[in-house]
Amino acid sequence: SAVISQKPSRDICQRGTSLTIQCQVDSQVTMMFWYRQQPGQSLTLIATANQGSEATYESGFVIDKFPISRPNLTFSTLTVSNMSPEDSSIYLCSALRGGSNTEAFFGQGTRLTVV
Amino acid sequence: SQQGEEDPQALSIQEGENATMNCSYKTSINNLQWYRQNSGRGLVHLILIRSNEREKHSGRLRVTLDTSKKSSSLLITASRAADTASYFCATDLANQAGTALIFGKGTTLSVSS
Repeated sequence: SAVISQKPSRDICQRGTSLTIQCQVDSQVTMMFWYRQQPGQSLTLIATANQGSEATYESGFVIDKFPISRPNLTFSTLTVSNMSPEDSSIYLCSALRGGSNTEAFFGQGTRLTVV
Repeated sequence: SQQGEEDPQALSIQEGENATMNCSYKTSINNLQWYRQNSGRGLVHLILIRSNEREKHSGRLRVTLDTSKKSSSLLITASRAADTASYFCATDLANQAGTALIFGKGTTLSVSS
């Protein structure tokens, strides 16, 4: 399996500001994804980060709020824009190397608290 | 959106006992995976079972899959305090290679010594 480095690991931010989370994989991967995990909840898919093109967002998530970049096959960023306390969550980057029947691996997550 | 339900939502057992967690899902799948999460950190992959498999073992873990019922179970035998964590099942979508995983709601396991 590959190793994903995600940073920052945690941050406390003021409402109205933005935070960019970085995800670096140690080898080329075909797919990268961003998830949100609200306190005490499961993981919810935010979007698929597409290399060289706009991300594909899930229902309830929009590009203006969660802009995503993926300039190459090993790196992606997620920005949480104009933050409010409701954005306090763990944000996780995930990657998939192959097609079907391959495990997805995850970064350690970014614990975001908005005050 | 969530794929399905897991039960129980919370499970408390003593060291040495077995823990069984169940997962149901809604759509046809290529595979089902189980993950562990310690204290809100990143997810650790435990085991992957393909849709044409019915049972799989890995150390103290035993996973079953019943595609006719769209359900899976994870059994942890001889549990240890270090097994205390949240456990999630996750599925992909059949006939769509490389899709994101859809996660169940998870089971919080507490193993006391």
